[in-house]
Amino acid sequence: EAGVAQSPRYKIIEKRQSVAFWCNPISGHATLYWYQQILGQGPKLLIQFQNNGVVDDSQLPKDRFSAERLKGVDSTLKIQPAKLEDSAVYLCASSLSTRSETQYFGPGTRLLVL
Amino acid sequence: GEDVEQSLFLSVREGDSSVINCTYTDSSSTYLYWYKQEPGAGLQLLTYIFSNMDMKQDQRLTVLLNKKDKHLSLRIADTQTGDSAIYFCAGRYNQGGKLIFGQGTELSVKP
Repeated sequence: EAGVAQSPRYKIIEKRQSVAFWCNPISGHATLYWYQQILGQGPKLLIQFQNNGVVDDSQLPKDRFSAERLKGVDSTLKIQPAKLEDSAVYLCASSLSTRSETQYFGPGTRLLVL
Repeated sequence: GEDVEQSLFLSVREGDSSVINCTYTDSSSTYLYWYKQEPGAGLQLLTYIFSNMDMKQDQRLTVLLNKKDKHLSLRIADTQTGDSAIYFCAGRYNQGGKLIFGQGTELSVKP
């Protein structure tokens, strides 16, 4: 079974530029999560989707971050414009449903904002 | 609010047991997890325990849950150099299933 796929693996941009990350969850998984992991900290949930609907985006900085999952499968997370403090690893995870006890994580996208 | 805390570092000798500790504030957690993160890699689920259990054993891993003290621990028996990594404790909350992570414990295993 293929795992959660993410691209790109690494990205370096300058502040005020835009960047987009892509995630393809495990086939059949209805729930998709985006987490932000700042260096030295644990991951923090940014947004959660159930199919193509948003379940929780309470921690998403909506003035600069946006995410979509239009067809309920893969998802993109965008930052526009980026700030220095957005430097982090962006992890995508998926699970069968919101009731599932197991979330499977992708390898992450490492973003450096200069 | 929801909070999970861990000690930051642990150093052990190869062959010894490692015990990584975690405390959490929200007693409504339904599941509690241990994830492993190696340098440059994503999160690997090691094991998890349902909140109505006290203990779970899985090969070299033993999880202990003390609900009264809101304390979770992970014991790794016969620790190997390949166990060197950052270990995250996380709690799962009923609303939507999001995970709340601790800040991670860096385990260093010396030969």
